[in-house]
Amino acid sequence: SAVISQKPSRDICQRGTSLTIQCQVDSQVTMMFWYRQQPGQSLTLIATANQGSEATYESGFVIDKFPISRPNLTFSTLTVSNMSPEDSSIYLCSVGGTGGFTEAFFGQGTRLTVV
Amino acid sequence: AQSVAQPEDQVNVAEGNPLTVKCTYSVSGNPYLFWYVQYPNRGLQFLLKYITGDNLVKGSYGFEAEFNKSQTSFHLKKPSALVSDSALYFCAVRPFNAGGTSYGKLTFGQGTILTVHP
Repeated sequence: SAVISQKPSRDICQRGTSLTIQCQVDSQVTMMFWYRQQPGQSLTLIATANQGSEATYESGFVIDKFPISRPNLTFSTLTVSNMSPEDSSIYLCSVGGTGGFTEAFFGQGTRLTVV
Repeated sequence: AQSVAQPEDQVNVAEGNPLTVKCTYSVSGNPYLFWYVQYPNRGLQFLLKYITGDNLVKGSYGFEAEFNKSQTSFHLKKPSALVSDSALYFCAVRPFNAGGTSYGKLTFGQGTILTVHP
């Protein structure tokens, strides 16, 4: 299995500002995934972060709004830019589902509230 | 494109009774199927998976799920519910492409809130 640490666990931010969420994994992984869970909703994949290449974004998500870094095989960041109240969600980092792991493992999530 | 449906927003059962949380899926090819549980203020915890083999799979905390290919279903079950099982449950699917390479993307159902009453 994989242990995933996310920081911060929660934050309250002013609209128009940006927040960077960090995700640290205890093992080297090729792909890391960022999901969003809006209030009362299911999880939606934002993007796939590969080390050494640009992230791949899902339909409806763009790099300018959700820039992602992946500097090495154990770390990634997701930035939520120019925030609005509609960005209030839980953001989750995930690894696995590829290679040796057939299931995905998730961090504890970052609960973001934009006021 | 794949999809997952959890037809019940909420399931209520009495402690000690059996529980079922329903899930149906749509995917091209053979699916990888998963159940996750989310407790308040926590991330997702993996419960169990179906990859291949026996249609009945057993997972954590006494949960099991039955894969039914003809009905494209993967219902989560537990013979005797506990109050501590109360949580939000998600079914998820990942397609297994013809070339044998797994995609790392999960498609989730909308979630089912399970409430177990004392």
